[in-house]
Amino acid sequence: GAVVSQHPSRVICKSGTSVKIECRSLDFQATTMFWYRQFPKQSLMLMATSNEGSKATYEQGVEKDKFLINHASLTLSTLTVTSAHPEDSSFYICSARDLAGSGYEQYFGPGTRLTVT
Amino acid sequence: QKEVEQNSGPLSVPEGAIASLNCTYSDRGSQSFFWYRQYSGKSPELIMSIYSNGDKEDGRFTAQLNKASQYVSLLIRDSQPSDSATYLCAVNVRGAQKLVFGQGTRLTINP
Repeated sequence: GAVVSQHPSRVICKSGTSVKIECRSLDFQATTMFWYRQFPKQSLMLMATSNEGSKATYEQGVEKDKFLINHASLTLSTLTVTSAHPEDSSFYICSARDLAGSGYEQYFGPGTRLTVT
Repeated sequence: QKEVEQNSGPLSVPEGAIASLNCTYSDRGSQSFFWYRQYSGKSPELIMSIYSNGDKEDGRFTAQLNKASQYVSLLIRDSQPSDSATYLCAVNVRGAQKLVFGQGTRLTINP
């Protein structure tokens, strides 16, 4: 149980283009989904928290116009990196909280490795 | 003071021994505590959750919580080379939905 998928697993795009990453909870409904970014040999950095049907809450320093988050249903959230640049190259990971869960545990997707050339 | 602190390591433990990982947190009102394992190049995987003072055992893993000392630990018994990974401590922030993660401790089990 508690499986989260992400698509694509790896993407290479040219500078200036936009990239959409999907995050799905496969066997549970997610009240809340989270988006993280992780640079090599660094810890997870929370980018934003999204709740189904409402606007995402972004962490300080994260540009909401650059990283667009949509949480249209209890099983799907998307992150769009707009006008991507090489410095946006990173490992993007989503996680989800189970609506039926008793605590605040988060289940992580496998991540999306973005390379901007 | 960081909200969640871990020794970054690396922590090197011989195969078969007990690996002990420690974590301290600053928010005395925190109620939920988690340990995640992250292999290099992969995403984190939840391995233990603990909510009450004391010990919680699951297979070779034991989580220990001491709220008075604001301290969480993870013990791995009979360590295996496959346990070599970075272990992340995570704490629920009071009044928020998010978890705060420590920097992680890199554990290496030597055959």
